[in-house]
Amino acid sequence: DAGITQSPRYKITETGRQVTLMCHQTWSHSYMFWYRQDLGHGLRLIYYSAAADITDKGEVPDGYVVSRSKTENFPLTLESATRSQTSVYFCASSERTSVYEQYFGPGTRLTVT
Amino acid sequence: AQTVTQSQPEMSVQEAETVTLSCTYDTSESDYYLFWYKQPPSRQMILVIRQEAYKQQNATENRFSVNFQKAAKSFSLKISDSQLGDAAMYFCAWGEWDAGNMLTFGGGTRLMVKP
Repeated sequence: DAGITQSPRYKITETGRQVTLMCHQTWSHSYMFWYRQDLGHGLRLIYYSAAADITDKGEVPDGYVVSRSKTENFPLTLESATRSQTSVYFCASSERTSVYEQYFGPGTRLTVT
Repeated sequence: AQTVTQSQPEMSVQEAETVTLSCTYDTSESDYYLFWYKQPPSRQMILVIRQEAYKQQNATENRFSVNFQKAAKSFSLKISDSQLGDAAMYFCAWGEWDAGNMLTFGGGTRLMVKP
């Protein structure tokens, strides 16, 4: 399917476990982003990537790891999940144009018990 | 750090009426972009409208328009002829020119539309 996809859509995991959220886009956009959405906070940037093999921290990076070996994929790993990481996670992508519009995936609802 | 504030956690509007959602932001930059995103119950983030800071003319997209006051750092969204399908969370977002395409989001406003 064309566009940006995330998997899984829903995930329940236990405290201390490692979990990886996947993001895939078919547009060959240069930029990719990971946000978390929590009530009252809107969306907060976790990590972003300007191109393959280039990543940088956002506003709330602690406890997360990212990689980007291919332009189309941008996985997010929680190395040791904590209850505070229960959230909805959105992946987004954009091209380096004058508009800077970001296109969002459908989100992953993660629950850490 | 840039901040975006949406002071109305919830708003309600009668179908076919007009409603305005508020957004203020804090920045020292002169070149930037502003966006309104809609998030219906499906959770999908949908771009509603965008505004380039260097443009004085307010952006309009069908029933959606903005009132961009650069000096006041205000960026409100007006929805005319509200429809039941407009019910959603609305997020205001700010993005800086040539700064990694990153967006800073406000906390959101939940819009309810009454039939």
